[in-house]
Amino acid sequence: DADVTQTPRNRITKTGKRIMLECSQTKGHDRMYWYRQDPGLGLRLIYYSFDVKDINKGEISDGYSVSRQAQAKFSLSLESAIPNQTALYFCATSDLIEDEQFFGPGTRLTVL
Amino acid sequence: GQQVMQIPQYQHVQEGEDFTTYCNSSTTLSNIQWYKQRPGGHPVFLIQLVKSGEVKKQKRLTFQFGEAKKNSSLHITATQTTDVGTYFCAGQDSGTYKYIFGTGTRLKVLA
Repeated sequence: DADVTQTPRNRITKTGKRIMLECSQTKGHDRMYWYRQDPGLGLRLIYYSFDVKDINKGEISDGYSVSRQAQAKFSLSLESAIPNQTALYFCATSDLIEDEQFFGPGTRLTVL
Repeated sequence: GQQVMQIPQYQHVQEGEDFTTYCNSSTTLSNIQWYKQRPGGHPVFLIQLVKSGEVKKQKRLTFQFGEAKKNSSLHITATQTTDVGTYFCAGQDSGTYKYIFGTGTRLKVLA
């Protein structure tokens, strides 16, 4: 959905490097999410935020951190990347009333 | 913790055949959503079910929420090549309000 953008779209990095993935939305939604997708494992929730001052761990938060800089921006950081963090990462947004999540195009991250 | 499983993991059908994917949660859900992800794309919302026993239809797609609010199904009648993709359910945990996605069912339709 063009209303939710992610940068970069593809990234190759090396073990031990710090990486930041960024998500921006123009939908005016309060809720934002970070997921990772691995083949056969579906989408797993990393972190979510229901408003600017709210940050919550998801199913698999170890090795990740997030920052909610503004209502429209939610960044995901890998402080020291490792190969098993190679995956497709999606950002999503939703609002309080209409619960459907709108996903960004995804970031394909490869850690060598 | 809460787990949401989907079966089957893969399904190949001939065009025109029906298709069903099943979603089962280890805990009672507040509601359940269904998403479709085309190959190379991102998940796109299809529908949300809230009530116990609820059935909703979208053209050839029929969605059902179990009486106990722990399972759901998506049925596609007379599949078309445009139905190709991975279908995910996502159940909302009643305590934390976060959604847990199922493992997905990848559908291939052979023309």
